[in-house]
Amino acid sequence: DAGVTQSPTHLIKTRGQQVTLRCSPKSGHDTVSWYQQALGQGPQFIFQYYEEEERQRGNFPDRFSGHQFPNYSSELNVNALLLGDSALYLCASTHPSSYNEQFFGPGTRLTVL
Amino acid sequence: QKEVEQDPGPLSVPEGAIVSLNCTYSNSAFQYFMWYRQYSRKGPELLMYTYSSGNKEDGRFTAQVDKSSKYISLFIRDSQPSDSATYLCAMSEVRARDDKIIFGKGTRLHILP
Repeated sequence: DAGVTQSPTHLIKTRGQQVTLRCSPKSGHDTVSWYQQALGQGPQFIFQYYEEEERQRGNFPDRFSGHQFPNYSSELNVNALLLGDSALYLCASTHPSSYNEQFFGPGTRLTVL
Repeated sequence: QKEVEQDPGPLSVPEGAIVSLNCTYSNSAFQYFMWYRQYSRKGPELLMYTYSSGNKEDGRFTAQVDKSSKYISLFIRDSQPSDSATYLCAMSEVRARDDKIIFGKGTRLHILP
C-alpha cells in the first residue's frame, strides 16, 4: 500500500513566478491537508480539503490556493512567489474514520531565488 | 506567546540513555496530543497519539500529558542511534478531521553511539 506521495521532490523558481505542487493521499483516505515547513520550524497549516472543498484555512494569503479532485488527490498553487516562500511543503492525508490522525508525504522542497 | 513551545535543541545523549522531550502550550482547549518523528529530508511520522491527561506507552516510547500544567512529554527508553531525528509535538482541540493541528518547532535529537 503506497503512502502519501508528492511531486515534484524539488523545485527551483524565481520571484514572481507561479508553482503547482501535487499530492496523492494514502489509499482509502479522503482528506488532504497542506503544510509549509520553513527550515528549523514546525509545519504551519495552510489549508485542508475534503469532498473537493476547502474546509479550514490557516493564516496564509490568497496567493496560496488549492484544489481537490474527485479521486481525492490535491494540488497546492502559489502565485507571485516571494523569497520567503522557500520551504518544504508537506501534504498529509486522513482516513474518514481516523479523525485527525494525519499521515504525511515526503514533501516538496521549493526554493525561490 | 506562541501556542506551542518546544526547545529546538539540539539534544545529544549517549546510546542507551533515557531521553526526555517536552512541550508546553498555552491553549487550555487542547485535548489531543501527538508526537511525530521527522528524519532529515522526510515527512513527519506519527509516533504517539494521546487524549487528555495521563500516560500512554508503546514499546520504548511513553507519552505523558499534564493538562493542569499545560505540559507534555515524550520519553524514549534504551535510545538507539536510529532514534536520531527531529521530534515534533502537535496538538488539537477536538478529534475531528477538520480541526487544525498546531505543531511545535521540533527538537533535534542526536543519539551518540
